[in-house]
Amino acid sequence: TQLLEQSPQFLSIQEGENLTVYCNSSSVFSSLQWYRQEPGEGPVLLVTVVTGGEVKKLKRLTFQFGDARKDSSLHITAAQPGDTGLYLCAGEANAGGTSYGKLTFGQGTILTVHP
Amino acid sequence: KAGVTQTPRYLIKTRGQQVTLSCSPISGHRSVSWYQQTPGQGLQFLFEYFSETQRNKGNFPGRFSGRQFSNSRSEMNVSTLELGDSALYLCASSLGGQETQYFGPGTRLLVL
Repeated sequence: TQLLEQSPQFLSIQEGENLTVYCNSSSVFSSLQWYRQEPGEGPVLLVTVVTGGEVKKLKRLTFQFGDARKDSSLHITAAQPGDTGLYLCAGEANAGGTSYGKLTFGQGTILTVHP
Repeated sequence: KAGVTQTPRYLIKTRGQQVTLSCSPISGHRSVSWYQQTPGQGLQFLFEYFSETQRNKGNFPGRFSGRQFSNSRSEMNVSTLELGDSALYLCASSLGGQETQYFGPGTRLLVL
């Protein structure tokens, strides 16, 4: 069974601070996706990383996929109240019948940015 | 392009009843996956359909079932509802099942 350990579970910070969310596993993933979810809504895709060592930037958000494709991180620079939400990492296993359409999710990080 | 749509958005049922939820994928996407989200367990994979065939299944009891139609729209059914089935049910679509998944807004099910 593949597991994704996401940390921290909760983050409460002031506007302007930086933060990093981690997603770790003992399993290798063919790709890893980060989502942001608002209460009562579905997760919205932020980024997909597929290559070991890959770094992607989305404005103030920086995503990194570990060299061994077992871990990932999300770094937010100068957080704003609009960044508040639930952040989820989700991994897709290596190709194969048991991986079709199946994402393994971390438990999520609830981020609150205070003005 | 329209996103993934789910109906209904909210449902209230009582124990023992059954429920059917619907999902329309993004146009051109042939894979539909279903997930259950609860505060305690997070997001858990239910099953995936592609070309009207279930290709993958999570660890849920047989009360949870689904199907997919020729236009790729999918339904999931839960029979003999239990209190623990209260959750946000999410569907996601992708081109073929091994690419990025895009989620719908979910159906919030409350079982009383």
